[in-house]
Amino acid sequence: EVQLEESGGGLVRPGGSVRLSCLASGFRFRDYDMYWVRQAPGKGLEWVSFIHGTGRRIQYLDSVKGRFTVSRDNAGNLMSLQMNNVRVEDTAVYYCARLPGSFGAWGQGTTVIVSA
Amino acid sequence: EIVMTQSPLSLSVTPGEPASISCRSSQSLFLQSNGYDYLDWYLQKPGQSPQLLIYWGSKRASGVPDRFSGSGSGTDFTLKISRVEAEDVGVYYCMQGLQDQVTFGGGTKVEIK
Repeated sequence: EVQLEESGGGLVRPGGSVRLSCLASGFRFRDYDMYWVRQAPGKGLEWVSFIHGTGRRIQYLDSVKGRFTVSRDNAGNLMSLQMNNVRVEDTAVYYCARLPGSFGAWGQGTTVIVSA
Repeated sequence: EIVMTQSPLSLSVTPGEPASISCRSSQSLFLQSNGYDYLDWYLQKPGQSPQLLIYWGSKRASGVPDRFSGSGSGTDFTLKISRVEAEDVGVYYCMQGLQDQVTFGGGTKVEIK
């Protein structure tokens, strides 16, 4: 069974940092591109970042470029999102997801609240 | 960026009645090399993460009831529920997966009358 488990969320001050992790199981992690998608309170889904299965191709939402860094450890079945210089508008549930198509699977999400 | 536009914003449906949601993309999602449309449909039930319903525009995901169907190609897609049940409440999203930067429609909230 495919499982994605996020961790690392919490309350962080504006300008601060937080590191999210996604532990994958039930599939050959290195074979799949992985995504971070967020959902602000009461809002829709917003793509944040993409990382190719090899880790060699990475993409970011414009508003997080230069502040967020995605990485993966294929040996450990782990994807991470380092969030620096966070802003109030980064407050959201952050989902780790395996996309698109028939691969579609999501974790339960981890909540990041940016507040003074 | 491919912009995804869904309609309607919300639906109130009597159990047993059909429902239909439209999704339009700002550019074609059809990939000639493999013949697939890179359009997925997700349902996010209250308090849960999104769950895959339909992929490649019309393929039902494993375990999804056959009352759900997807159709369309290119830039215009439709999700239909033949007979809505109480468990179908939630927000439905279309998502394009043609680009690494996936994008989502704004969502359609389905509730039961």
